[in-house]
Amino acid sequence: AQKITQTQPGMFVQEKEAVTLDCTYDTSDPSYGLFWYKQPSSGEMIFLIYQGSYDQQNATEGRYSLNFQKARKSANLVISASQLGDSAMYFCAMREAVAGNNRLAFGKGNQVVVIP
Amino acid sequence: GAGVSQSPSNKVTEKGKDVELRCDPISGHTALYWYRQSLGQGLEFLIYFQGNSAPDKSGLPSDRFSAERTGGSVSTLTIQRTQQEDSAVYLCASSPRGGRATDTQYFGPGTRLTVL
Repeated sequence: AQKITQTQPGMFVQEKEAVTLDCTYDTSDPSYGLFWYKQPSSGEMIFLIYQGSYDQQNATEGRYSLNFQKARKSANLVISASQLGDSAMYFCAMREAVAGNNRLAFGKGNQVVVIP
Repeated sequence: GAGVSQSPSNKVTEKGKDVELRCDPISGHTALYWYRQSLGQGLEFLIYFQGNSAPDKSGLPSDRFSAERTGGSVSTLTIQRTQQEDSAVYLCASSPRGGRATDTQYFGPGTRLTVL
């Protein structure tokens, strides 16, 4: 079963506008971590932001913030004031804390193109 | 400091040949991960190393795949008798510790493998 779902089609965003990328997840484990990564055309996977399942506050890192709705099992990424360099694929990932699990489960990704 | 490095960045090989991919993790990181990224399958976990513990090989797709980590640092992923379906980008990641849902994994630039 798919643990991470990212279903939005490719998105075009105007420079300086905000964009929200949707991510829903599926787990029965009460303890887990959620991560967002950016993958530009160069191919490197760049860590952006982390949210723990027990965190009371939504995570923020500069222009990135996470809209974490635990009951709905969603962890949407918000990028404020988009820049041309934000054009990339964005991946949502989860790691469950169950013993013996050492892997990140990734979604299929969201393509973002920022236009001037 | 230096990030995760991988070599080669690109590898083209003929079907049936063996290949070795190298990963050099961030200095001081005890946990190391290999993933594979292909168009059809997205990002898949392959193997995990943590210190001197036995590796988690649960993601390796067949016995043609193997990996080792020498001296708790550099890792080599070996694919024997390569097949065309092995064509993918192979990503290595490391984290300061392992075994916890909060561990952020930092990725290298990947090795693009093409099997002709």
